[in-house]
Amino acid sequence: QKEVEQNSGPLSVPEGAIASLNCTYSDRGSQSFFWYRQYSGKSPELIMFIYSNGDKEDGRFTAQLNKASQYVSLLIRDSQPSDSATYLCAVLKMGGSQGNLIFGKGTKLSVKP
Amino acid sequence: SAVISQKPSRDICQRGTSLTIQCQVDSQVTMMFWYRQQPGQSLTLIATANQGSEATYESGFVIDKFPISRPNLTFSTLTVSNMSPEDSSIYLCSAGLTGELFFGEGSRLTVL
Repeated sequence: QKEVEQNSGPLSVPEGAIASLNCTYSDRGSQSFFWYRQYSGKSPELIMFIYSNGDKEDGRFTAQLNKASQYVSLLIRDSQPSDSATYLCAVLKMGGSQGNLIFGKGTKLSVKP
Repeated sequence: SAVISQKPSRDICQRGTSLTIQCQVDSQVTMMFWYRQQPGQSLTLIATANQGSEATYESGFVIDKFPISRPNLTFSTLTVSNMSPEDSSIYLCSAGLTGELFFGEGSRLTVL
């Protein structure tokens, strides 16, 4: 089993809809979870991080964490064409340094006008 | 957030040569890291760049192939040595700040 798994997509949603991006992880002891957005040809940009079970909201973005199910998700409300990008889920490796993030392969999101 | 500058942004290199990538952060940071993103793949941590001491390498990466320097809290270099086409990739410098990890724009290397 891969350490961090994401559906590669592409996920296509109409403008204004809610985009739901999902991620599962294998290390039950993981504590820190991150969502990055990567536009084509660009470097990853941190969107949100979440440490506690439940929801965390920041503007149009909501991260959801369920440690019992080893599941993290990112909801994007009122999706815009500018949200079209690859979204990377990352989990801090247990026992690793602050930067030892295990990344999923990413889900490509396409928001259609 | 931290502003991270890398250079070169891209280069085309010949097999067997070496290339050094520079990374400059606009503020002093405790943690600096080097990642690799191969075509169509996600990011993989190469090593942690430790200030004033040898870098800490992840499994599958060795110092002879990827020597790293970090002379101070804002600057680091990664050298890709004796390059082969398999080293064609994007190399990303990152810095940890208050629990968050930020990335430079990356250096896209193509090895012929």
